[in-house]
Amino acid sequence: KAGVTQTPRYLIKTRGQQVTLSCSPISGHRSVSWYQQTPGQGLQFLFEYFSETQRNKGNFPGRFSGRQFSNSRSEMNVSTLELGDSALYLCASTGGTGVGEQYFGPGTRLTVT
Amino acid sequence: AQSVTQLGSHVSVSEGALVLLRCNYSSSVPPYLFWYVQYPNQGLQLLLKYTTGATLVKGINGFEAEFKKSETSFHLTKPSAHMSDAAEYFCAVSDGRTGNQFYFGTGTSLTVIP
Repeated sequence: KAGVTQTPRYLIKTRGQQVTLSCSPISGHRSVSWYQQTPGQGLQFLFEYFSETQRNKGNFPGRFSGRQFSNSRSEMNVSTLELGDSALYLCASTGGTGVGEQYFGPGTRLTVT
Repeated sequence: AQSVTQLGSHVSVSEGALVLLRCNYSSSVPPYLFWYVQYPNQGLQLLLKYTTGATLVKGINGFEAEFKKSETSFHLTKPSAHMSDAAEYFCAVSDGRTGNQFYFGTGTSLTVIP
């Protein structure tokens, strides 16, 4: 089975711009979670989507949003980028309906200048 | 609310020595506990997990962890360190009620000295 894929792997944006990141989960997995990883804050939960519905949401401003498509692929969008949004964004997919093992993608490294 | 504390942001061990990475959790309900490893420029890889049942959990690459409810701990051990074990290790907790919202510790960077 193919693993979790994330595109693009690297991205450089300017303050004020917006960005869209994509995540394709493992085939058959319906849950996709997003995390932001920074040296100062560590891994922080952004949100989880399950069957096209947001099931959980972390403590991030409304500039961070996401969605999930019927094929379980997910996108996250960050609008009005700030320097502090520079981070590694990780997506993870899980099979089943409850809590399960999260399989992580390699991440998208976002740099905001 | 759930939280995880990893004691020691950096741990160094000699090759062949015991690896002990500490994790304490806070959870108001029986927790689901996980250990993940992250190599440079990669995502996280699951080492092992505890949900219910046996409190000593064996994972990949010779790692194991023991769930101790009385101590609210889930420490990760490996009897003999290998150079390839050098990486960042993360402990995570979920309460099992809110889907897949995991709370991660700040990580422990393991260095293996030849």
